Amino acid sequence: DTAVSQTPKYLVTQMGNDKSIKCEQNLGHDTMYWYKQDSKKFLKIMFSYNNKELIINETVPNRFSPKSPDKAHLNLHINSLELGDSAVYFCASSQDKRGRPGNTIYFGEGSWLTVV
Amino acid sequence: AQKVTQAQTEISVVEKEDVTLDCVYETRDTTYYLFWYKQPPSGELVFLIRRNSFDEQNEISGRYSWNFQKSTSSFNFTITASQVVDSAVYFCALLYAGGTSYGKLTFGQGTILTVHP
Repeated sequence: DTAVSQTPKYLVTQMGNDKSIKCEQNLGHDTMYWYKQDSKKFLKIMFSYNNKELIINETVPNRFSPKSPDKAHLNLHINSLELGDSAVYFCASSQDKRGRPGNTIYFGEGSWLTVV
Repeated sequence: AQKVTQAQTEISVVEKEDVTLDCVYETRDTTYYLFWYKQPPSGELVFLIRRNSFDEQNEISGRYSWNFQKSTSSFNFTITASQVVDSAVYFCALLYAGGTSYGKLTFGQGTILTVHP
């Protein structure tokens, strides 16, 4: 069983479209994240949610909207896609609880988004 | 602010050679965590090790070993007797363990390791 799974793995779409990436974790973790890896392999956090509550929003354009229906799921919706949104998006989770960060962060397999 | 620097952008070795990947970090915090992740050609990010700032013991796991030295703010990773399957991008990362920094890993730029047969 995959601990952190995200779909789709590959997504090619046209500029201006709206798309979603779904993420689920079966580790029983309280905290979930979205990270972005750019074309130079640089990884940076976008969002983190703790028990469905937004904790970190790292100056991401508001075209990106995370949604956490429950603590096992964190979806990423992107409106009006732009060429610069092409990247690999990683979902992740950890056992971090409020006031007690520092646990291991486990990543999903990544979603390759290409905007044409 | 935190910063992680991996001095080697790319390393190329021949199978069975030992190789060390350097990682130097900057932080003003006294409590923090250091991580190494592996990204093989298939693209996923695989957790390798987590170390907290109060534990400077070196660690060995099979062919992998890690040397944490607070005095030089370094957390280096050595692969002994490298194999072709070790070919990947390796990332060092730092996590501040205070405030509302849930999961805010600061990554180094990665080191591309190629092991030739």
